[in-house]
Amino acid sequence: TQLLEQSPQFLSIQEGENLTVYCNSSSVFSSLQWYRQEPGEGPVLLVTVVTGGEVKKLKRLTFQFGDARKDSSLHITAAQPGDTGLYLCAGGSGNTGKLIFGQGTTLQVKP
Amino acid sequence: DTGVSQDPRHKITKRGQNVTFRCDPISEHNRLYWYRQTLGQGPEFLTYFQNEAQLEKSRLLSDRFSAERPKGSFSTLEIQRTEQGDSAMYLCASSPKGLPGYNAPLYEQYFGPGTRLTVT
Repeated sequence: TQLLEQSPQFLSIQEGENLTVYCNSSSVFSSLQWYRQEPGEGPVLLVTVVTGGEVKKLKRLTFQFGDARKDSSLHITAAQPGDTGLYLCAGGSGNTGKLIFGQGTTLQVKP
Repeated sequence: DTGVSQDPRHKITKRGQNVTFRCDPISEHNRLYWYRQTLGQGPEFLTYFQNEAQLEKSRLLSDRFSAERPKGSFSTLEIQRTEQGDSAMYLCASSPKGLPGYNAPLYEQYFGPGTRLTVT
């Protein structure tokens, strides 16, 4: 059974601080997605990484896929209150399209 | 608006009643997925369609659950004889088809706003 473990589960920081969220598995994934979800809404796709060692940047967010394609990280620089939300990693393999989600990291950025 | 839409956004029902949810995917996407999310957890896969064909069902999907996608466009998810344990957010997502030797587009799934089901 493929599982994705996210850490930390909860993070409360002050505006301007940096943070990193980790997503780990013992399984290899062909691609890994990061989503952000606000209360009462569906997840919004932030990025897809597919190549081992790949790094993608989206403004203040940096996403990295591990060399072995078993883990990923999300780093946010100078966090802002608007970054508050639930961050989810999700992995896919094979050709079904079925995504396996981590349990999420709840981020609160205080002004 | 060309995103994924779901209806209704909220549903409150009494135990034992039947409920049906609708999902309209992004028009050019041929794959459609249903997930269920409970509080404090990530979404869990329920089932998916490629065009009108239902290709996989999770073991989470008991006999009381049925999903359809007639004509490969919108999809419905029906829950019969609802139980309190069915209370959750039901999410629909769609994705474009993969390319030969390159499946990444299958996993770039775009989610709707969800239907929040409360069974009392």
